[in-house]
Formats: sequence, C-alpha cells, structure tokens
Amino acid sequence: ETGVTQSPTHLIKTRGQQVTLRCSSQSGHNTVSWYQQALGQGPQFIFQYYREEENGRGNFPPRFSGLQFPNYSSELNVNALELDDSALYLCASSLPPGGRETQYFGPGTRLLVL
Amino acid sequence: DAKTTQPPSMDCAEGRAANLPCNHSTISGNEYVYWYRQIHSQGPQYIIHGLKNNETNEMASLIITEDRKSSTLILPHATLRDTAVYYCIVRVIDNYGQNFVFGPGTRLSVLP
Repeated sequence: ETGVTQSPTHLIKTRGQQVTLRCSSQSGHNTVSWYQQALGQGPQFIFQYYREEENGRGNFPPRFSGLQFPNYSSELNVNALELDDSALYLCASSLPPGGRETQYFGPGTRLLVL
Repeated sequence: DAKTTQPPSMDCAEGRAANLPCNHSTISGNEYVYWYRQIHSQGPQYIIHGLKNNETNEMASLIITEDRKSSTLILPHATLRDTAVYYCIVRVIDNYGQNFVFGPGTRLSVLP
C-alpha cells in the first residue's frame, strides 16, 4: 500500500457530462501527478500539480483540468466527456520536483463513458 | 514517446530468477532508470531505480550496463504473484513537469 487514495473507484457517465475525480497524496508528499491509462496501454501523463499550481502538462486538451488544495490533495476535472475518455485514471504523489523523487501511485478510478 | 524498448512478453518458472531486459540507448547523463510493475487493473507499483550503479532492494536487483544503454531487472525467486506488466522508464530530473513516460512494458507470466 502506498498511502495514496483515490475516489471513487468506479464511475459511469454519459457523453457530454462532466466528472470530478479525487486523490489524496501520501503523507509528506506535496506533488501530485495524474495519468490516463486506456485499456491495454501504459499510463499517459496528463499533468502535475506542485504548490497548488500546474507544473507541467502532457498532450491533453483544456477540458482536462485540475486543482490542488493546501492539504496537497488534488482533483481532476474532465468536461464534455467523450467515449474515448473511458479509462483508468491514476494519480501519483511524490516529493517536490527536482530531486530523486519516486512517484507512488494510487489504485485508480475506472471511468466508463457511455 | 517512451525512450525505452522492452520485449512484449516473457515467461518464467516459479522459483527461478526472472531477468527482464530494457534498452535505453538514448539515455542522457542525468536520466535515471526506473522500474514499475502493474498487476491487472491496479495502480503501478514502484520496484527500484538507479543512475549508474547496480541497485538492490527487498524486491529486486537492477543491473545497469557501464555505458548505461541497457539494464536488467532481476526478480531472484519469482512467484505466481509476480505475474504483472513490468515498465522500464528513463526519467530526467529537473524542476519542471516531472512525469514518467510509460511504454507498453513487458508482460511477465510466472508459470507453476
């Protein structure tokens, strides 16, 4: 167990809806990264939050947005859901960028868009 | 794109050592080699990482060639619970956009 928790574990939405996924980081970790993992593929980096600000972003459209709170927990928001957004969404927490930090992953939220 | 290449699948007999290779011929001097594994539908689990020297922990050993262009993850006594997809990742250490670039990994099947 990594101490990283995510909620909900599973979610079903319909196309065009909006969804919010939540992540609580491991104790002492102030950096949170989000990944999308489609079936049969490796995780793909969405973005990272450090000190409540976005600190890097992968190749995802603006309808993917996030927040980080003072307690280092984080949210991933996806607007105007598309069928291809169906995936396992993973968050990972780590120490501040710039060191030899290792990312520790949560169990993920499985999103199904119908 | 991932900067590593791994065989898509491997088999290993239970109780034997599993040796998982990874090529990273374009690795830079400040990039670490990380290994994670993912058991079906769970989050990736950190195994080990290294820069130049060989590393060992309670889970595995990491052997990095002297030119750093390839590495091998060794699970010394594989068990059925080690069946998983294993990802080899090279990662630059800087202050911006820390993230891992995952490739498709190696699917290791430990056979009884």
